[in-house]
Amino acid sequence: DAKTTQPNSMESNEEEPVHLPCNHSTISGTDYIHWYRQLPSQGPEYVIHGLTSNVNNRMASLAIAEDRKSSTLILHRATLRDAAVYYCILREGTYNTDKLIFGTGTRLQVFP
Amino acid sequence: NAGVTQTPKFRILKIGQSMTLQCTQDMNHNYMYWYRQDPGMGLKLIYYSVGAGITDKGEVPNGYNVSRSTTEDFPLRLELAAPSQTSVYFCASSYSKGIYSNQPQHFGDGTRLSIL
Repeated sequence: DAKTTQPNSMESNEEEPVHLPCNHSTISGTDYIHWYRQLPSQGPEYVIHGLTSNVNNRMASLAIAEDRKSSTLILHRATLRDAAVYYCILREGTYNTDKLIFGTGTRLQVFP
Repeated sequence: NAGVTQTPKFRILKIGQSMTLQCTQDMNHNYMYWYRQDPGMGLKLIYYSVGAGITDKGEVPNGYNVSRSTTEDFPLRLELAAPSQTSVYFCASSYSKGIYSNQPQHFGDGTRLSIL
């Protein structure tokens, strides 16, 4: 399974944008980039995913580098509720078991 | 809809005891998964199922068993509890339409298990 590298922790102030980076230099052409987050004492929650093009949804935006070796999850206006561990995961597009391989993620702290 | 429901939320076991962690989903998802999460770590896949009657091992299956007799339920059994199995256990489900499915997984809130 391809691996991802994320910073251990990041900080932000409330209502400011947050850019969470992820490196995946060994990504293959069929790997999708998925982001999940885990709030304290809860199970992970799906955030967004993409393959090549940038993606937007109600929770966040995903910016994917042209060579696909890195991506950035963008929270446009951080709230206290966005404090969580964010996981960047590569998911094989050709493998039917839909397995997720979690790393240790980035712990985001949001200050009022 | 309740989504993915796990019971119990907390449990303390003695070494050598057995127990079953329950997981049920009401979204008619065909895929279900069990993960464990040790402190400060990401989740590791224990077992998964692609449909009723079909199960397969994940990364860390030793010491656990599963069954999938219905679409809704996917219980995880610990036969001889060991301290190394102290962890938080998460059940998840997803709907897969094929090899390019990429449907998100939906997680329960977890069972916190301590083995003493």
